[in-house]
Amino acid sequence: DTEVTQTPKHLVMGMTNKKSLKCEQHMGHRAMYWYKQKAKKPPELMFVYSYEKLSINESVPSRFSPECPNSSLLNLHLHALQPEDSALYLCASSHNRGARTEAFFGQGTRLTVV
Amino acid sequence: DAKTTQPTSMDCAEGRAANLPCNHSTISGNEYVYWYRQIHSQGPQYIIHGLKNNETNEMASLIITEDRKSSTLILPHATLRDTAVYYCIVRGFTDKLIFGTGTRLQVFP
Repeated sequence: DTEVTQTPKHLVMGMTNKKSLKCEQHMGHRAMYWYKQKAKKPPELMFVYSYEKLSINESVPSRFSPECPNSSLLNLHLHALQPEDSALYLCASSHNRGARTEAFFGQGTRLTVV
Repeated sequence: DAKTTQPTSMDCAEGRAANLPCNHSTISGNEYVYWYRQIHSQGPQYIIHGLKNNETNEMASLIITEDRKSSTLILPHATLRDTAVYYCIVRGFTDKLIFGTGTRLQVFP
């Protein structure tokens, strides 16, 4: 099983809403990632969790709040977003950090902020 | 991690080999070269990676120059389903996996 599952696939939310994106993997991977991708641009790294601890925050605004409840699950809590936060949000996982491990990506959640 | 440079776009006829170049002149000794691709509106897909030897798997071949300053991804018999953006990434012992701008490969009939 080399699957990373993201839910929901699509999400429309208002600027005052609170919502969460979910990512799950059962490959025993210990590193998990959140990316944001705008149209026709490459994915931009947001957060990295390594062994369930936040290891990288790429200066992401606090309206995005990641959480790693266990080694298989990664959440991204959203609050008070702006229309410019509309994007494809991608989750990925890899066996561990480092140079020799490939990452597997989910199909993403397409978020629209209205 | 070292920066990579790729052509913005390339075309390839169906059935022919697609050769996608990547420059990574500042690569250091412990950094690997990775290739991913992203088909429209899907998540990126891992293709292949290597350190200094050439590598081949069921999807592609990776040729890395002896000085490791550049590499070429080869899709031996391109199909229409290989139309995608291809990303060359150099990664060391870090938690980061950073995407560059990639090459948009268009395979035509």
